[in-house]
Amino acid sequence: EVQLVESGGGLVQPKGSLKISCAASGFIFDTYSMNWVRQAPGKGLEWVAHIRSKSYNYARYYADSVKGRFTISRDDSRSMVYLQMDNVKTEDTAIYYCSYPGGNWFAYWGQGTLVTVSS
Amino acid sequence: DVVMTQTPVSLSVSLGGQVSISCRSSQSLVHNNGNTYLSWYLQKPGQSPQLLIYKVSNRFSGISDRFSGSGSGTDFTLKISRVEPDDLGVYYCGQGTQYPLTFGSGTKLEIK
Repeated sequence: EVQLVESGGGLVQPKGSLKISCAASGFIFDTYSMNWVRQAPGKGLEWVAHIRSKSYNYARYYADSVKGRFTISRDDSRSMVYLQMDNVKTEDTAIYYCSYPGGNWFAYWGQGTLVTVSS
Repeated sequence: DVVMTQTPVSLSVSLGGQVSISCRSSQSLVHNNGNTYLSWYLQKPGQSPQLLIYKVSNRFSGISDRFSGSGSGTDFTLKISRVEPDDLGVYYCGQGTQYPLTFGSGTKLEIK
């Protein structure tokens, strides 16, 4: 059974930093891409970042709204994916979901971790 | 960027009825490899989204055949037949053909 468990969310001040994590299990982690998707309170879904597998040199892709501020990374030895969030803005307040695509879609989702940016 | 436009914004249906949700993309979703990466998701109240349909018309594991997807190019439809109480929530379409990956703004399904 595929499981994705996010952690590390919390309150962070504007211009501050936070690193959130996702622990994956139930599939061969190092052969697949991983994504972060977020949802602001009462709003829709927004894709944030994507990291490919070692076979694709860990290529990374970002939404324009976070490019240059957020960094996605992974540790295949621990089946973990991370999102380093720097210079955060109030508009980054959202539930952040980790997602395992299985293809060019979002097949599995974690329960999410809430990040609140506020002074 | 590919803009995904969903209609309607909300709809109400009686139990046992049928509904259709439209999703249109601002560009063709046909990938260079010939696949069309249009998917549908349901987010039930208080839950994470779940995948219903991928590559236009393929039902994900465990998804009822009451859900069906169709379409091509830029015009896609999700149909839900014999609506059940557990179907309520917000439905999103999404495209995986090109970066940035994008979603529609959602369609809220309410049960009469």
